Amino acid sequence: KAGVTQTPRYLIKTRGQQVTLSCSPISGHRSVSWYQQTPGQGLQFLFEYFSETQRNKGNFPGRFSGRQFSNSRSEMNVSTLELGDSALYLCASSLQLGMGNNEQFFGPGTRLTVL
Amino acid sequence: DAKTTQPTSMDCAEGRAANLPCNHSTISGNEYVYWYRQIHSQGPQYIIHGLKNNETNEMASLIITEDRKSSTLILPHATLRDTAVYYCIVRVAGNNAGNMLTFGGGTRLMVKP
Repeated sequence: KAGVTQTPRYLIKTRGQQVTLSCSPISGHRSVSWYQQTPGQGLQFLFEYFSETQRNKGNFPGRFSGRQFSNSRSEMNVSTLELGDSALYLCASSLQLGMGNNEQFFGPGTRLTVL
Repeated sequence: DAKTTQPTSMDCAEGRAANLPCNHSTISGNEYVYWYRQIHSQGPQYIIHGLKNNETNEMASLIITEDRKSSTLILPHATLRDTAVYYCIVRVAGNNAGNMLTFGGGTRLMVKP
């Protein structure tokens, strides 16, 4: 079974631009979560989707948004990019939502550099 | 979710057991203990999880104290490829709970030849 895939793997943008990142979960998985990882803040939760609905959201500004499609694929968008948005963006998929025996599988991440 | 405390870094000799401690003294009865690791520049990898009982899988063993206030992840025969940052996470389970993981700083394990 294929793992979580994220595209693109690397991206360079300039301040003020917007970016869309894509995540394809493991086949059959319905929950997708997004995380941001920076050297200063570590791994931080962005948001979580299940059955096309946002279920949880982390403490990030409204410039960060996401959505999930009917095939469980998810995208996240960052508008008006700032230098501090440079980070590794990780997507994780799970079979279900909230159950204790519910491990998450992470993708390789998209490394975004904002110049 | 309960806060966890882990040592910042640890060293282990190749072939020996690596014992990584985690303190979660404020854990609630419905919170599971999860361990993930992140090898440099890769996405985190699930290792093991447990609620009350000790658990073992092909990667590691998880020992949870009887009062559930601390746990230890054991890699029985550490290899150089086990060099990574190890995260101990506790999270609520249940139908209304999300899958959000709250990562702390983790323990940077260095396995040395």
